[in-house]
Amino acid sequence: DTEVTQTPKHLVMGMTNKKSLKCEQHMGHRAMYWYKQKAKKPPELMFVYSYEKLSINESVPSRFSPECPNSSLLNLHLHALQPEDSALYLCASSQGPGEMNEQFFGPGTRLTVL
Amino acid sequence: QKEVEQNSGPLSVPEGAIASLNCTYSDRVSQSFFWYRQYSGKSPELIMSIYSNGDKEDGRFTAQLNKASQYVSLLIRDSQPSDSATYLCAAPKGTGFQKLVFGTGTRLLVSP
Repeated sequence: DTEVTQTPKHLVMGMTNKKSLKCEQHMGHRAMYWYKQKAKKPPELMFVYSYEKLSINESVPSRFSPECPNSSLLNLHLHALQPEDSALYLCASSQGPGEMNEQFFGPGTRLTVL
Repeated sequence: QKEVEQNSGPLSVPEGAIASLNCTYSDRVSQSFFWYRQYSGKSPELIMSIYSNGDKEDGRFTAQLNKASQYVSLLIRDSQPSDSATYLCAAPKGTGFQKLVFGTGTRLLVSP
């Protein structure tokens, strides 16, 4: 199994809602990532979890809250988002952190904030 | 200078031709490189990794790394319309090289 899965595929939420994005991998990878991608732009890193611990937070606003319940799961909790947060949210995983570790992306969650 | 730079394109090639996609990088990134293909509305798909100087071939794809010139390229032989996509060059940077930085991507159009 070489797949990263993400749910939901699409999400529409109001600015006062609370929702969560979920990501799962069964490749035994020990590093997991959240990226945000706006239209016609490359992915931008938001968070890195390495061995289930948050190792990088790219100064992401607190309305985005990551969680890594175990080595296979990664969540992104959303609260009080703004319309400019509408984007494709991508989860990725790699065998470990480090420069030679290939990152594999899930299909993404297309988020629209009204 | 951006850490990883690509020409945004579009690069237009006829079916069956060789498509050459290029990427330059700064000293601030690791010298491991990854090429991703991204179809419109889809997520990036890893197609090639290269870690050392020289060429690496995988099917119709060849990645080339020239560390002296800080240049990495992806050649696609016998291009097909299904190769039409945006190709992203990426390299790790930062503490522990955990952060992947991407170029802006090159849009490739292969015409039948």
